[in-house]
Amino acid sequence: QVQLVQSGAEVKKPGASVKLSCKTSGYTFTNYAIHWVRQTPGQGLEWMGWISVGNGNTKYSQRFQGRVTITRDTSATTVYMELTRLRSEDSSVYFCARVGSGWYPLFEYWGQGTLLTVSS
Amino acid sequence: DIQMTQSPSSLSAFVGDRVTVTCRASQNITTFLNWYQQKPGNAPTLLIFATSTVHSGVPSRFSGSGSGTDFTLTITSLQPEDSAIYYCQQSYTTPVFTFGPGTKVEI
Repeated sequence: QVQLVQSGAEVKKPGASVKLSCKTSGYTFTNYAIHWVRQTPGQGLEWMGWISVGNGNTKYSQRFQGRVTITRDTSATTVYMELTRLRSEDSSVYFCARVGSGWYPLFEYWGQGTLLTVSS
Repeated sequence: DIQMTQSPSSLSAFVGDRVTVTCRASQNITTFLNWYQQKPGNAPTLLIFATSTVHSGVPSRFSGSGSGTDFTLTITSLQPEDSAIYYCQQSYTTPVFTFGPGTKVEI
């Protein structure tokens, strides 16, 4: 079955960087795009960016442009999201999500989420 | 950028009630509208896509309608396990997506 397993919780200081991982299994890795979404405590869901896993193309939300980089390792069937110049407002739960099997754009499978805490 | 709004932000209803959540897009998104359910401590799960198609395994008491800028999620005969936050999501501008702010449904 399709699984997206994310890396564990992180604690970082302001100004630092963090690289979160999303290990996938149960399907052909290069056939499906992966998105990253974050959720600040008590707040809603915010789309951060996307990678076309087959060719490595990416697109990022303007809000994170210049601070976020999404990459993938096809041999490890893993997608990574790096966020730099961290600030306290980046303390959130970060989710990876896989698109569906058909043409219609939706998020069919989600990782369990990774809690990032940014604090001095 | 397309902005999404939802109303109400929260509601309380009884088991067996019919509940309606509204989602509005800042511009025409045709029928590229999805609904997700999120329970505390869990990732969101897909409920409805393309405005009105119920995802596999989702109970038939969930339905969606609308087009253009105005959309509705309806839960007929509310059940205790439906207590959650419901988010709409526009996928018209894929791969860029936008979520609504969410509607908390309490039983």
